[in-house]
Amino acid sequence: DSGVTQTPKHLITATGQRVTLRCSPRSGDLSVYWYQQSLDQGLQFLIQYYNGEERAKGNILERFSAQQFPDLHSELNLSSLELGDSALYFCASSPAVGPGQPQHFGDGTRLSIL
Amino acid sequence: AQTVTQSQPEMSVQEAETVTLSCTYDTSESDYYLFWYKQPPSRQMILVIRQEAYKQQNATENRFSVNFQKAAKSFSLKISDSQLGDAAMYFCAASAFFGNEKLTFGTGTRLTIIP
Repeated sequence: DSGVTQTPKHLITATGQRVTLRCSPRSGDLSVYWYQQSLDQGLQFLIQYYNGEERAKGNILERFSAQQFPDLHSELNLSSLELGDSALYFCASSPAVGPGQPQHFGDGTRLSIL
Repeated sequence: AQTVTQSQPEMSVQEAETVTLSCTYDTSESDYYLFWYKQPPSRQMILVIRQEAYKQQNATENRFSVNFQKAAKSFSLKISDSQLGDAAMYFCAASAFFGNEKLTFGTGTRLTIIP
């Protein structure tokens, strides 16, 4: 158990809908990362937050947004969903920022778009 | 920008034997970190080992060790005494020393353990 909690584990929805994925980092971790794992794109970094502030942005679509709340949990919002958004979405956390921070991953949320 | 390449989509090894998974990377930075992550069928991503590029000594964690060749930009993972529980996808990843901490992943190698 990594200590990172992601909910829900599975999500099935239709095109055009909006969903919210939730992540609770390990106790004491201040930084949260979101990654997308799909068959065609592999594992891709989406976005990082540190202590409530956005720190880095990767290949995140404009239809996607995220935030980190004062209690450090994070949410990833996906809207106007398309078939291609079907993927496994991981949240990871690390204690702080700086070189070589080990990132501990949650079990992921499997999103299926019908 | 960094790129990570894993040229072996699949590997197999007999139980108790040793296997080496290959990884090459490209970066313009002089300092960076390299990682191996394991993803078993349960789909968790588990950190196996971490290497700091400015350290010459190869990292080891129990049965897992790396062969880090900085000039060749190579970072292979050696698994000794392979066990059935080692069956998984293995991902090589890199992160920058300066700037943000995002991980850039390779495409993975699926390791099968033959009893």
